[in-house]
Amino acid sequence: EVQLVESGGGLVKPGGSLRLSCAASGFTFSSYSMNWVRQAPGKGLEWVSSISSSSSYIYYADSVKGRFTISRDNAKNSLYLQMNSLRAEDTAVYYCAGETGTTGGFDYWGQGTLVTVSS
Amino acid sequence: SYELTQPPSVSVSPGQTARITCSGDALPKQYAYWYQQKPGQAPVLVIYKDSERPSGIPERFSGSSSGTTVTLTISGVQAEDEADYYCQSADSSGTSWVFGGGTKLTVL
Repeated sequence: EVQLVESGGGLVKPGGSLRLSCAASGFTFSSYSMNWVRQAPGKGLEWVSSISSSSSYIYYADSVKGRFTISRDNAKNSLYLQMNSLRAEDTAVYYCAGETGTTGGFDYWGQGTLVTVSS
Repeated sequence: SYELTQPPSVSVSPGQTARITCSGDALPKQYAYWYQQKPGQAPVLVIYKDSERPSGIPERFSGSSSGTTVTLTISGVQAEDEADYYCQSADSSGTSWVFGGGTKLTVL
């Protein structure tokens, strides 16, 4: 069974940093591109960042470019999001999502981890 | 920045057909994907590459594309289909994913 489990969320002050992790199991993690998607309370989905299977290609939404860094460790079946210079508008549930390549879309999703940026 | 436009809400009675549209300038060149999200749950992919249905998704879900608009159609809507639906596509360069604002489907 495919599982994606996010962790690392919590309450952080504006300007602070946080590192999210996503532990993958049940599939060949090293073969899939991975993504972070966030959802502010009561709002829609927002794509944050993507990383290819070998980390060769990395993309960011304009809203996080220069502040967030996506990375992965295929040996540990793990995806990460380093978030710096956090703002109130970064408050959201952060989901990791995997692309198998079969559909071209985000086939697998975790249950999300809540990040709250507040003083 | 690139945007996908969806209606905020659609309402239908059980057994009727619901149609949810998504408009974007790059849709003639980029595939669209549709996700269903129920309260407190992660999104689920229900349509990929404009009109393909993943395994396990009921046949009543279908997708179509015409020019700059893609449409998710749910035939014979059931109460369990009440959810938020999001379209997704890439920008013209293929380096950014974009989600539509979401459509709340209400089953009356």
